[in-house]
Amino acid sequence: AQSVSQHNHHVILSEAASLELGCNYSYGGTVNLFWYVQYPGQHLQLLLKYFSGDPLVKGIKGFEAEFIKSKFSFNLRKPSVQWSDTAEYFCADRGSTLGRLYFGRGTQLTVWP
Amino acid sequence: KAGVTQTPRYLIKTRGQQVTLSCSPISGHRSVSWYQQTPGQGLQFLFEYFSETQRNKGNFPGRFSGRQFSNSRSEMNVSTLELGDSALYLCASSRTGQGDYGYTFGSGTRLTVV
Repeated sequence: AQSVSQHNHHVILSEAASLELGCNYSYGGTVNLFWYVQYPGQHLQLLLKYFSGDPLVKGIKGFEAEFIKSKFSFNLRKPSVQWSDTAEYFCADRGSTLGRLYFGRGTQLTVWP
Repeated sequence: KAGVTQTPRYLIKTRGQQVTLSCSPISGHRSVSWYQQTPGQGLQFLFEYFSETQRNKGNFPGRFSGRQFSNSRSEMNVSTLELGDSALYLCASSRTGQGDYGYTFGSGTRLTVV
């Protein structure tokens, strides 16, 4: 069965610290990877997506992700986090199924000012 | 452009009742998928509709059903509600379901079953 794993359930950082959230996916076919963010009380927003090309993909709000095919990984990074980045982050893979995303369990990021 | 609209935002129902949730996708999007989000299980896929046809279905009992209309608006129905159905129900729309342009999510319907 296709799956997505996020390594960290809860990450706590101070402002200006660097962030890296781990994500591993299982599907070995066509690559369709996403990172979404869910701010408290808000809907899921797309941070970035990767289908092909440069394995370092840049998204909104200063986030970027690196695709490493050999490791089946798609880690999210941000050089310097802000208090406003406090949210839950979800990694997702479309896998082989049209119209369906396989989500990781999410990582709650708390940034202290 | 308008985003994905889900109505209602909040619902409180009693066990045994049924409920219908609505999702209006972004104009031009023909794929609508539904997810259940709970603290314990995370985001779980319910089903996906494309051009009025259910194309994929997740592992939910038959009490969960859906449909899509010719204008791409979608509804999901849950019959004989159980306490465990309390969750945030999200829908997402995309042009074709392939994901090339991403999936846009609505704000969700918060269902509480008492």
